[in-house]
Amino acid sequence: EPEVTQTPSHQVTQMGQEVILRCVPISNHLYFYWYRQILGQKVEFLVSFYNNEISEKSEIFDDQFSVERPDGSNFTLKIRSTKLEDSAMYFCASSPGGYTGNTIYFGEGSWLTVV
Amino acid sequence: QKEVEQNSGPLSVPEGAIASLNCTYSDRVSQSFFWYRQYSGKSPELIMSIYSNGDKEDGRFTAQLNKASQYVSLLIRDSQPSDSATYLCAVVSNDYKLSFGAGTTVTVRA
Repeated sequence: EPEVTQTPSHQVTQMGQEVILRCVPISNHLYFYWYRQILGQKVEFLVSFYNNEISEKSEIFDDQFSVERPDGSNFTLKIRSTKLEDSAMYFCASSPGGYTGNTIYFGEGSWLTVV
Repeated sequence: QKEVEQNSGPLSVPEGAIASLNCTYSDRVSQSFFWYRQYSGKSPELIMSIYSNGDKEDGRFTAQLNKASQYVSLLIRDSQPSDSATYLCAVVSNDYKLSFGAGTTVTVRA
């Protein structure tokens, strides 16, 4: 069964360092998303991406965050200068054709610990 | 602010019983509703989707939607210990963002 894959599964980084989280969405999907979940809190929307551009972003997704689809398969989330409060599980997700009437599939997540 | 509210639990039920989970949402124009299951430290796993008023059944799971009351529920029949997890209600409004509730933790006692 096709699945969303994410790397790394866990990364520890020092405050102020840049981090890139990588995702391979399901191959025939058109919409891609990043969500995050701080330990013990709810899953929060960060950004959605369609047709090689951001379609929606939340207030969390400020200038230190960026997304990119560098080739036909990868979808990345970059955090330019990490802060302690960026420590969270980051989930990549994809869907065939947008939310309404379509299932969103989540990857297994990347734990980011900022020290 | 579009809110999705759930009772945090924990909801403890004996094995074989029915677990009933509730969710309310604030955005009246919401169109799509989902229930996800999340085990500790894992990603959300889709259990059910529902788009129109009424009931939708899939195996031991039944989702119920009432748009007039802005309410969606999930029933788990014949609960098993493996059903012990956090259940997340998620709602899509017309801005296409999936908003999650905080989740209800369910514990099934053997």
